[in-house]
Amino acid sequence: DAGVTQSPTHLIKTRGQQVTLRCSPKSGHDTVSWYQQALGQGPQFIFQYYEEEERQRGNFPDRFSGHQFPNYSSELNVNALLLGDSALYLCASSLLDMDSSGNTIYFGEGSWLTVV
Amino acid sequence: RKEVEQDPGPFNVPEGATVAFNCTYSNSASQSFFWYRQDCRKEPKLLMSVYSSGNEDGRFTAQLNRASQYISLLIRDSKLSDSATYLCVVNVYNQGGKLIFGQGTELSVKP
Repeated sequence: DAGVTQSPTHLIKTRGQQVTLRCSPKSGHDTVSWYQQALGQGPQFIFQYYEEEERQRGNFPDRFSGHQFPNYSSELNVNALLLGDSALYLCASSLLDMDSSGNTIYFGEGSWLTVV
Repeated sequence: RKEVEQDPGPFNVPEGATVAFNCTYSNSASQSFFWYRQDCRKEPKLLMSVYSSGNEDGRFTAQLNRASQYISLLIRDSKLSDSATYLCVVNVYNQGGKLIFGQGTELSVKP
């Protein structure tokens, strides 16, 4: 049973470019959340998707957008990249009904984004 | 003020030492509490949930004080393999699966 898979694992972009990160949730999970973790900080919640809709959003600008597909996989898009967007982007999957319990939230290994 | 605040690190301790991490949270509607462990350049992994009555898992003991909005993690007989960053995490009622993380405390266990 595959866990949460993310791609790409590492990428380098230039300021002003756009990036798309991908996530496949754990088998059987229907909810995907995205987090940004800057160096030396804890992960910060970006948004959560359920039934192909954004269910919750953290304090991130509109440059950050996402999508969930019918197979529950998800994409995170960031436009007009800034140097400060350099971070580890983590995808977490869960079941909506049980996602208040940390026992059912699984993280992928993350995508390391460097903006130069 | 940050929603979840942790002791600043790093903590450098010898093998066999007992080390305690503290954490406070600001939202009284916080419902669930956890400690996650994160190894260098890896994803966070759940270490243990924290229950009101306190709970223990081997060398690890977690405690919660809802009145003081305070969470702690105690590691006894620390091992070299305990070296990692420990993240205090809360989930707020009615905010679904949104986890709120502290900044993490780095632990380095030395021989």
